[in-house]
Amino acid sequence: EDKVVQSPLSLVVHEGDTVTLNCSYEVTNFRSLLWYKQEKKAPTFLFMLTSSGIEKKSGRLSSILDKKELSSILNITATQTGDSAIYLCAVETSGSRLTFGEGTQLTVNP
Amino acid sequence: DTEVTQTPKHLVMGMTNKKSLKCEQHMGHRAMYWYKQKAKKPPELMFVYSYEKLSINESVPSRFSPECPNSSLLNLHLHALQPEDSALYLCASRKSVYRRPRQGGKTEAFFGQGTRLTVV
Repeated sequence: EDKVVQSPLSLVVHEGDTVTLNCSYEVTNFRSLLWYKQEKKAPTFLFMLTSSGIEKKSGRLSSILDKKELSSILNITATQTGDSAIYLCAVETSGSRLTFGEGTQLTVNP
Repeated sequence: DTEVTQTPKHLVMGMTNKKSLKCEQHMGHRAMYWYKQKAKKPPELMFVYSYEKLSINESVPSRFSPECPNSSLLNLHLHALQPEDSALYLCASRKSVYRRPRQGGKTEAFFGQGTRLTVV
């Protein structure tokens, strides 16, 4: 059975801090890894990673995949209160199946 | 247009009712998904449609019946639901699904805003 594990499950920081969220996976037929941010309703897409070692960056967010370690990290620098959300990691396997991890609940306090 | 539209936004139904959830996208995506999400839990895959054909059914009870009338529309027909089926139902679509098992999608999945379903 495909498994995606995120850590920590919950994180509380102050504005301006840098955070690192982790995602590890054990799946058959890995295709890609995706990061999403979920606030009230729909998850919104952040990054899609398919190649090991190539960092994807968008503003204060960045992510990298390590296929040897079967893991990925999502970094957020200079956090803001608007970054408070659940961050979901999803792994795509064959048949375009997306399996989600439990998510990391990030709370950024002013 | 990167929008996936779901209707209704909220639905309250009795256990004997029959209702349908609708999902629409006009991005030319050929893969469409139904996910169920309970509070404080990640989305759980229910169904995947690939080129309008059901490709994955994650052992979902038959009281949930998906339908893909065309490449832009995805429905989820509900009948005789239980209170524990109350959840946020999310639809997603994706640009490409490859027919051969070794290949994967090359783009992200876009999610709709969901239908908040309450079964009473």
